[in-house]
Amino acid sequence: DQQVKQNSPSLSVQEGRISILNCDYTNSMFDYFLWYKKYPAEGPTFLISISSIKDKNEDGRFTVFLNKSAKHLSLHIVPSQPGDSAVYFCAASSNAGGTSYGKLTFGQGTILTVHP
Amino acid sequence: ETGVTQSPTHLIKTRGQQVTLRCSSQSGHNTVSWYQQALGQGPQFIFQYYREEENGRGNFPPRFSGLQFPNYSSELNVNALELDDSALYLCASSSLQRHTEAFFGQGTRLTVV
Repeated sequence: DQQVKQNSPSLSVQEGRISILNCDYTNSMFDYFLWYKKYPAEGPTFLISISSIKDKNEDGRFTVFLNKSAKHLSLHIVPSQPGDSAVYFCAASSNAGGTSYGKLTFGQGTILTVHP
Repeated sequence: ETGVTQSPTHLIKTRGQQVTLRCSSQSGHNTVSWYQQALGQGPQFIFQYYREEENGRGNFPPRFSGLQFPNYSSELNVNALELDDSALYLCASSSLQRHTEAFFGQGTRLTVV
């Protein structure tokens, strides 16, 4: 039962253009969402997060959009740079009972390649 | 610099053996979670430790066990290793009291032969 899904295994984008990575979830209890970037032989690095009380959060070139009714979130990277090439994971958590912080459910990941 | 360190970085074990992986958490974080990442998949939650007690467990058998120490560092133990246990094992530290980003270590690559 895949509660968090990233349906695009890979995405290829030209440098300077926008990269849009998508993520869908099924569990209505999820109330916090995160994006992580992962390079080979390294652990995931936190990029940006969003609470379910918001529909948008920006941090520099990175913006995350949340559509709760559609159970969908997306990460926009503008402008894309070759150094952004990595695997991107969407993750979600739920504060059910007040003891669930930090327990993340991850998607399968999307490999982003930004061409110079 | 996340401050979360894991050891060892790589190891090879034989099927049926036991293994212990170690993790030191980031300063100020009281919670440690362990994840297993198989090739081509996202990390899967194994369990979480808070104040030296298990605080939630994913869909993993009892031969996966853990410990958390008073300094918040943690160990993951796997008994009776199987070939399918070959994966990247990730440790993450976070705060139990609120939603925060979890900071990950670089992982331990376990190969079972």
